[in-house]
Amino acid sequence: AQTVTQSQPEMSVQEAETVTLSCTYDTSENNYYLFWYKQPPSRQMILVIRQEAYKQQNATENRFSVNFQKAAKSFSLKISDSQLGDTAMYFCAFMIPVYSGAGSYQLTFGKGTKLSVIP
Amino acid sequence: DAGVTQSPTHLIKTRGQQVTLRCSPKSGHDTVSWYQQALGQGPQFIFQYYEEEERQRGNFPDRFSGHQFPNYSSELNVNALLLGDSALYLCASTGLAGTDTQYFGPGTRLTVL
Repeated sequence: AQTVTQSQPEMSVQEAETVTLSCTYDTSENNYYLFWYKQPPSRQMILVIRQEAYKQQNATENRFSVNFQKAAKSFSLKISDSQLGDTAMYFCAFMIPVYSGAGSYQLTFGKGTKLSVIP
Repeated sequence: DAGVTQSPTHLIKTRGQQVTLRCSPKSGHDTVSWYQQALGQGPQFIFQYYEEEERQRGNFPDRFSGHQFPNYSSELNVNALLLGDSALYLCASTGLAGTDTQYFGPGTRLTVL
């Protein structure tokens, strides 16, 4: 079974500073997708960034970037120039595409990291 | 372009009752997944519907059932409610027959008393 571990239950960062959230996962598959989702107090789960395992280049979306280390099974999220609106729960998620050997249609989530941005 | 919508926003039920939650997928999406998120936890996969059939199910009892309609909208039904069913229920839709990124609705908060 695939597992996702987020070892930091809570983190805080000063506004305009940079913060990195950690995520590790366990799988024997070679082809998979990794995601970071953000869930603010409004509860809406919002996609932040997506990474395909076959891509060597790390994904970036504006102030958000990932450090994907496939051999170490690590997928960290870096938020630059933190803003008050970044305050939220951040979930790392994992999916093996259905066309792979052990593929499925479900996302497997970690327990989340609560990020607070301090003015 | 409307995103994923869910109704109702909040719901309070008592033990033993039955509940139905509703979801409309994002425009252009044909697949709907349901997740249960207990307080302080990450979402757990319940099941996924495609072409009006359940095609994958997580580790949830038969009390949890669903339906998908021809317009791709979906319902989640929970029978014989237990206190432990209290949670946020999230619906996610995706295109490309379920192989693309999943986009989530705002959720329905179910409280069982």
